[in-house]
This record gives sequence, structure tokens and C-alpha cells, in this order.
Amino acid sequence: QVQLQESGPGLVKPSETLSLTCTVSGGSISSYYWSWIRQPPGKGLEWIGYIYYSGSTNYNPSLKSRVTISVDTSKNQFSLKLSSVTAADTAVYYCARTIAAADPLNYYYYYMDVWGKGTTVTVSS
Amino acid sequence: DIQMTQSPSSLSASVGDRVTITCRASQSISSYLNWYQQKPGKAPKLLIYAASSLQSGVPSRFSGSGSGTDFTLTISSLQPEDFATYYCQQSYSSRITFGQGTRLEIK
Repeated sequence: QVQLQESGPGLVKPSETLSLTCTVSGGSISSYYWSWIRQPPGKGLEWIGYIYYSGSTNYNPSLKSRVTISVDTSKNQFSLKLSSVTAADTAVYYCARTIAAADPLNYYYYYMDVWGKGTTVTVSS
Repeated sequence: DIQMTQSPSSLSASVGDRVTITCRASQSISSYLNWYQQKPGKAPKLLIYAASSLQSGVPSRFSGSGSGTDFTLTISSLQPEDFATYYCQQSYSSRITFGQGTRLEIK
């Protein structure tokens, strides 16, 4: 079955760029959307954005100016870059496969059916 | 932005109880509402999608209902492994948002 694994530095300095990669195994990255979600310590879930395997993206407007999500189909990976980080970006970062389903009116809705285990990123000098 | 508000924020219940968690959207989201379960230190797990569709492999004691602005997640008979935090999530808007979570604790 499909498994996802996040990787990247666990410590990032303020004002620098956070970079994470999610490796997809047991299945192809093609034909799906792929999301990044984060969870600050003791808090709830925040959607960061998603990318389609073809490269089209949708970002959370509150983070859009700092976020870039990219995909490398040859490596079955997708990546997150978050620039100009502050302590508020300290969180567990999850990657997730995202299903886009159409209702009878051809309106698409999205849900995350497979998640990585998450990786903790701390922003500190 | 569509705000998702869950109630209660926390809940104490006993094994065997029937439990209902509510999620309310700040505007109509049709049936584009999903539910997740998260245990401490673990990633969220999808339980219900499109308001009432049970994800494959999820026990049938979990059920979801609702449309428009009001939704419920019901656990018909609580099991020890069900004590966790539950989140709702909407995708009606292009900005996906989650509820703040409902922590289900053992009484």
C-alpha cells in the first residue's frame, strides 16, 4: 500500500527557508494531488497547500507569499519550501495524499486519505 | 474564509457510550466535509469523507451525517481505541480549513 515519508532538517534558523521532501512509496505519484499540513505544538491542523502531479498548485492564502510546493515525478517525491520562517512556523509537518472527487454536479471536493508520520521542525537560532 | 467550529471542544465518555461530535461551518459547504481521528504523537487518520461516506477499513461504529452548515460524527459504541482527538475539515472553499478539534477522553 502507499506510504509517505517526510524528510528534512529538524532545526531551521529564523529568517531562513524551511525545506522538506515527501517520498511516496508503494504507488505512483501520478494522478493524485499531494498536500502539506502542519500542526504547531498542542494546537490543531493547518492546511499549507497541495500540488497536482502535473505541477498545478493551490496554497493557503495566509502562507502563499512564503510557500512553494513542487513535484518530481521521476523520484516519486514532492517538496515544500517555506521562506522567512519565524518561531510561529515551529510545528509537526505532515505530507498527505489528497483525493479529488467529483460530485454529481461535477464539483470537486478534496480529502486526505494517506498521511506520512510527520516530521518536527523547530525554528530557533 | 470558511470557519469550522466543533463542539464540544472536549468530551468525557465511557466505553460502550454513544457519542456525537458536532461541526458547524460559517457558510454552507454542501456535503464537502471530512472527519479525521488523531491519537497522540500520530498522524491524523481519515474516518469519513463527503459527510457520510465511511473510509475503507474504518469500523462501522463510526458514522457521519449532515449537509449545508451542520454536521455530526457519531460513534455508536465507544471502544478503548477510540479515545483520541477528532477534526472536521471542509473543502468546499479552495482554502481547505479544519475545525479546532474535539478531544474525547475516558470518563
